[in-house]
Amino acid sequence: DQQVKQNSPSLSVQEGRISILNCDYTNSMFDYFLWYKKYPAEGPTFLISISSIKDKNEDGRFTVFLNKSAKHLSLHIVPSQPGDSAVYFCAAILTSGTYKYIFGTGTRLKVLA
Amino acid sequence: DVKVTQSSRYLVKRTGEKVFLECVQDMDHENMFWYRQDPGLGLRLIYFSYDVKMKEKGDIPEGYSVSREKKERFSLILESASTNQTSMYLCASSRPNLMNTEAFFGQGTRLTVV
Repeated sequence: DQQVKQNSPSLSVQEGRISILNCDYTNSMFDYFLWYKKYPAEGPTFLISISSIKDKNEDGRFTVFLNKSAKHLSLHIVPSQPGDSAVYFCAAILTSGTYKYIFGTGTRLKVLA
Repeated sequence: DVKVTQSSRYLVKRTGEKVFLECVQDMDHENMFWYRQDPGLGLRLIYFSYDVKMKEKGDIPEGYSVSREKKERFSLILESASTNQTSMYLCASSRPNLMNTEAFFGQGTRLTVV
């Protein structure tokens, strides 16, 4: 059973516009969420995280929003740049346990110049 | 600079071979993980280790085993490689604390079993 889901396998956005990537989870005990970016033939790199006690976290062009009641988080990228084209994974962890990271299936973002 | 290093970028092995994938981290992290990435399936956890000689099965441990004899090294073993184990394998490490929850990944090993 997939505990972390990314229902959009791909997304295309025009350069300069906003990219919104979505993620849903089923386990209400998750208390930390992260977004990773992955280029082909490379390992994922960390982008931004959010604690479950917050509803928003910003870092430059990247903002993550968390809606606990809906068990939903989203990553906003503004403005989108061609170099943002990659696969984005959301992940969730239980910090009360062994900090096992559960990843979603990924969304491939293509930013069109 | 933080580093997780996987021993090979690309590997081609024959069906039935025993395959070793090695991962080394230089951050003194307690936790280490092995994932595989397949199209449409995302990153799936194979095994993880939260201390030396300690291991736990992830979501897809069948056909794999692991070894963690030293804190910095976590090995993934394919006991008898099969074609359905052709995949991108990713190692990661982290320190379990609330101040910094980021896991760091290696560059990945693309394994092809023929």
